Amino acid sequence: EAGVVQSPRYKIIEKKQPVAFWCNPISGHNTLYWYRQNLGQGPELLIRYENEEAVDDSQLPKDRFSAERLKGVDSTLKIQPAELGDSAVYLCASRNERESADTQYFGPGTRLTVL
Amino acid sequence: AQSVSQHNHHVILSEAASLELGCNYSYGGTVNLFWYVQYPGQHLQLLLKYFSGDPLVKGIKGFEAEFIKSKFSFNLRKPSVQWSDTAEYFCAVNARAAGNKLTFGGGTRVLVKP
Repeated sequence: EAGVVQSPRYKIIEKKQPVAFWCNPISGHNTLYWYRQNLGQGPELLIRYENEEAVDDSQLPKDRFSAERLKGVDSTLKIQPAELGDSAVYLCASRNERESADTQYFGPGTRLTVL
Repeated sequence: AQSVSQHNHHVILSEAASLELGCNYSYGGTVNLFWYVQYPGQHLQLLLKYFSGDPLVKGIKGFEAEFIKSKFSFNLRKPSVQWSDTAEYFCAVNARAAGNKLTFGGGTRVLVKP
């Protein structure tokens, strides 16, 4: 079974530029999460989707961050414009309530560097 | 709001030594508890989890963790570490009443010297 796929793995941009991350969850997983992991810290939830509905986006900085999960499968996370403080690893995770309740499976992450 | 605290940021030990990583959480209701591991260059992987039942849970690679409800703790242990256990370890808690939000601790970097 393929795991959670994310791309790109690395991204370097200058501040004020836009950037987008893509996530393909494990097949059949209805719940999808985006996390941000700053250096030396644990992941922090940005947004959670149940199918195509964003059910928890309270931690998403909505002035510059946006996300979508069209058709309830793949998801994209966008930052526009990026700031220096956005440098972090952006993780995607997925979960299937019917198989592994409360267990999330993580992708490799996208390491963003904003110069 | 729930929070998770991991006591040590860095741990250095030699092969065959015993390992114990502390984890405390703050939430008064029913919780599910997890330990995730991130090996160098790899993604986060589930090491073990506690949902209910026996408070001593066994995970992969010889790891175990004990849930002590009265102490709000979920410490991770391994009796004899190997060089391949070098990784970063994250404790996490999920409270159903808090919307199934998974909250992570800050992580502990473990370096096992050969």
